[in-house]
Amino acid sequence: ETGVTQTPRHLVMGMTNKKSLKCEQHLGHNAMYWYKQSAKKPLELMFVYNFKEQTENNSVPSRFSPECPNSSHLFLHLHTLQPEDSALYLCASSPLTSGGYEQYFGPGTRLTVT
Amino acid sequence: KQEVTQIPAALSVPEGENLVLNCSFTDSAIYNLQWFRQDPGKGLTSLLLIQSSQREQTSGRLNASLDKSSGRSTLYIAASQPGDSATYLCAVGGRTTDSWGKLQFGAGTQVVVTP
Repeated sequence: ETGVTQTPRHLVMGMTNKKSLKCEQHLGHNAMYWYKQSAKKPLELMFVYNFKEQTENNSVPSRFSPECPNSSHLFLHLHTLQPEDSALYLCASSPLTSGGYEQYFGPGTRLTVT
Repeated sequence: KQEVTQIPAALSVPEGENLVLNCSFTDSAIYNLQWFRQDPGKGLTSLLLIQSSQREQTSGRLNASLDKSSGRSTLYIAASQPGDSATYLCAVGGRTTDSWGKLQFGAGTQVVVTP
């Protein structure tokens, strides 16, 4: 186990639904990340949080809304998604050393938008 | 903008053969380079991290080299085993102040090792 958990592991939602993805890390890290992984494409960084503060929003559409209530928890709130948003959503955490590049990943949430 | 490319996209080898996976990047001003492994439906596991000042890193049967001047890294896996079947991802960390935590990933090489 990497110490980063994600729930749910699978999610099917309609375009008008509202759902949330949850990530929790048990590693004592202070930075957390959301990534999107679509088939045959490189991982895309979506959001970065340091000490609960958002430091990066990589031009993500507003239908994705992140929330970081503390350094151990990260949420991704979803609403009015499109079919092209279907992907594997990965959460990661890192200590503040090594430029934030020592990232530990969760198993991901497989999202299908119908 | 940093572009990371991995060739081939897929690779199949018989058990016991050595694996050679390639990664290229367009901007040589990197902080470090990592190789990750991803099993189907699972997250990523870091295999090796090479700092920009290093030329290679080794862990067991794995060896990764880094040539910044040519923008290339190679991951060697000796004496492959069926358990090595996975997707291998290369990721580059930038050196600029606004690059903190922003890994640039390649699309990966899917490896199948047949018994």
